[in-house]
Amino acid sequence: TQLLEQSPQFLSIQEGENLTVYCNSSSVFSSLQWYRQEPGEGPVLLVTVVTGGEVKKLKRLTFQFGDARKDSSLHITAAQPGDTGLYLCAGPTTYNFNKFYFGSGTKLNVKP
Amino acid sequence: DTAVSQTPKYLVTQMGNDKSIKCEQNLGHDTMYWYKQDSKKFLKIMFSYNNKELIINETVPNRFSPKSPDKAHLNLHINSLELGDSAVYFCASSQHGHPNYGYTFGSGTRLTVV
Repeated sequence: TQLLEQSPQFLSIQEGENLTVYCNSSSVFSSLQWYRQEPGEGPVLLVTVVTGGEVKKLKRLTFQFGDARKDSSLHITAAQPGDTGLYLCAGPTTYNFNKFYFGSGTKLNVKP
Repeated sequence: DTAVSQTPKYLVTQMGNDKSIKCEQNLGHDTMYWYKQDSKKFLKIMFSYNNKELIINETVPNRFSPKSPDKAHLNLHINSLELGDSAVYFCASSQHGHPNYGYTFGSGTRLTVV
């Protein structure tokens, strides 16, 4: 069992559709980050959310941190083929600031 | 100007061999990591060094030995390679005390043990 569980594991949608990816834990996190990983590359940081209830927007991507800082969501509006990749949430818990836990990942495929 | 570079990109070797992966970062970060990504894409921390000092050492077989000659370099040596060691190994760096700035990852080393 992973400390951070993501759902869904796989998502295949048509261009233009909306989608939401969830990242859940029973532990409280100091902050949560979202990364996107493309094939053959390392994960790249998209955003960091720090405060409970915080919402951040990055163009068509909206990130939210749960009020209790145990969960986060990533919503993509009007998905495009360029959004295809593996999305990972990650962060340090409040009891170990130095150790990052990564989520189980959501593999997104956006078909043209 | 690659921020975190690791070599080689691909490594195919036979069981029982010893191999090394090298990592260098030019971001001025003081903390470096090795992560293992399995076939299910799960990223698991192996080691972390802060200013050349080992600060995280997860449950990893003794056959894996990291070495950090300076804070810009972190190498991983693997002895007596086994089939189960096949995975993608990622090096990453960050600035200690600033976790919100996130990690910068290298592009990975795909290790295949045959």
